[in-house]
Amino acid sequence: TAGITQAPTSQILAAGRSMTLRCTQDMRHNAMYWYRQDLGLGLRLIHYSNTAGTTGKGEVPDGYSVSRANTDDFPLTLASAVPSQTSVYFCASSDSIGSSDTQYFGPGTRLTVL
Amino acid sequence: GQNIDQPTEMTATEGAIVQINCTYQTSGFNGLFWYQQHAGEAPTFLSYNVLDGLEEKGRFSSFLSRSKGYSYLLLKELQMKDSASYLCAVRDSNYQLIWGAGTKLIIKP
Repeated sequence: TAGITQAPTSQILAAGRSMTLRCTQDMRHNAMYWYRQDLGLGLRLIHYSNTAGTTGKGEVPDGYSVSRANTDDFPLTLASAVPSQTSVYFCASSDSIGSSDTQYFGPGTRLTVL
Repeated sequence: GQNIDQPTEMTATEGAIVQINCTYQTSGFNGLFWYQQHAGEAPTFLSYNVLDGLEEKGRFSSFLSRSKGYSYLLLKELQMKDSASYLCAVRDSNYQLIWGAGTKLIIKP
């Protein structure tokens, strides 16, 4: 079982360009999440989706958009990248949003915006 | 605001025991998670506490005191492969996870 895959593994992007980070899970989980991880800070939630067809904003949504057309895929789009979006991006999924539901993480995408 | 505090870095000796503390102030509480993250890799689930007390799972144990807003992760019989960052996260009243910055654990032979 692959679990969660993310693509690309890493990317260098010029400021002002757009980019979509891909995330696919094969566990049939209802909920999916996008986090960014920066040195010295905890994981910060960008956007989430509790079920296919719905999305919500997390702690740091500005400059990012998501869609959830089906259960398996949850792409994250940067419309016009800025250097402050340089980070490691993790996609995660969980069976639901209940108290005990564990989130499972993809391998991450390391993004550098110059 | 919501806050999760953990020590930035700890050092321990192979074969020893180490306790990593986590204190939290969040809007509501719906469980506390510990994750392990090796450098350059994704976080992986270690433990979950929602009631006060100790949960034991092999060499790892996790403790929770809701009244004190406090948890710890206890690692016994340390091995070199335990060198990693340990992340504390609390599920708040909106069922979102609030994450601490993580504790980098260095194991020395």
